[in-house]
Order: sequence, then structure tokens, then C-alpha cells
Amino acid sequence: DAGVIQSPRHEVTEMGQEVTLRCKPISGHNSLFWYRQTMMRGLELLIYFNNNVPIDDSGMPEDRFSAKMPNASFSTLKIQPSEPRDSAVYFCASSFSGPQETQYFGPGTRLLVL
Amino acid sequence: GENVEQHPSTLSVQEGDSAVIKCTYSDSASNYFPWYKQELGKRPQLIIDIRSNVGEKKDQRIAVTLNKTAKHFSLHITETQPEDSAVYFCAASQEYTGNQFYFGTGTSLTVIP
Repeated sequence: DAGVIQSPRHEVTEMGQEVTLRCKPISGHNSLFWYRQTMMRGLELLIYFNNNVPIDDSGMPEDRFSAKMPNASFSTLKIQPSEPRDSAVYFCASSFSGPQETQYFGPGTRLLVL
Repeated sequence: GENVEQHPSTLSVQEGDSAVIKCTYSDSASNYFPWYKQELGKRPQLIIDIRSNVGEKKDQRIAVTLNKTAKHFSLHITETQPEDSAVYFCAASQEYTGNQFYFGTGTSLTVIP
């Protein structure tokens, strides 16, 4: 298995632009997580899907952030409009069943908003 | 919500010595406590986890202990090696209140050869 796949690996954009991050979880995993990592705030859980349904989005910072999981093999995290403070590494992770099983992280997307 | 505190933020040890990282949590309903290792520029990877029904778990040179009464858990690495150098994150999770997942702030461990 290729593991969790994320794209793009790096993204540089200008303030106000829309950014879409993509994730393909490990086949057979039914839980997917989006995390943000910054030096100031560490690792933060943004949203968690189970069987393609958002279970907890209380970590989503504001309405500019949205996430979807249209099927079991694909998820997106969208930021519109982007701001410089959104600059971070965004990780997607998947697990077989819920947050209390081993979460396998993708390589991350390094986002820089100018 | 849950508050996970992790200490120390940085730790340097000589190769072969032991390293101990401690975390405290605030919500007694938390029942799952994993530890992740993140090497520089890489993704976090689970190294060991413990559930609230046990007090200790060991995997070769790594062990985790849990004190539910005091609400703290610790990672112990024995016979440290240079490849143990990384940032280690603890986390706490509770199953029944939205499945939130809270990470500690991380400990940067340096093993000096």
C-alpha cells in the first residue's frame, strides 16, 4: 500500500486566493483526519470524518475553512480566502476505525500564503 | 475541553542513557493515550499507545506508564540511540464526546553520540 497520499506537497499562494488540499486515505480505512501544524500552535486536529461523514469539526478555525469527503478514497480541505496566518503544514491521516486506532499520517502539504 | 501539557519542551541525553517525557491531561474521561514521533521534516508516526484499562505497556526500548488518578502518563526510552532524536508528541482522546483528539506541545529530544 502506498500509504496516505497528499497533494500538493508544497503550495505557495497569495493572500485572498483559494487553496485546495487533497488527501487519499489508505484503502480500507474508514476514518480520516485533517491536522494543521505550526510552531506556535503545534499539532491541531481540524476535522475528523468517519465513513465519509464529518463527526467533529470543532477544530476548524473559521468559516474560511471547509472540508469534504465525497467518497471513501478522497477528501479535500479548502481555504477561501487564504490569509498569511494560514501558513502551516497540513497533514491528513487515516485509521482503520476512529481516532483510537493507529493513525497513519500523510507526508503533509506545506502551505505558504504571502 | 481537554488540556494536554507536555514536559520538557527540549531534552538532551547522552547515547545509552534513558529519556523520560511526561504529559498531564485534564479530562478524566480521556481513555486513549498515544505517543507519536516526528523526525525533522517528516510525518508523525505512532510509536506506542496505552488505554486507560492498563497502567504500563512496553515495546522493546520504549515504555509508557499511565496514572489515571493523577491524570498523567509518561514515555520512557531506555538505551537511547542517535536515531531516537526527534520531536515526540503525546496525545489524549476520549471516545464518547465527539472523538476529539488533543496533542501535547511536543518534546524535542536530542541524543548526543
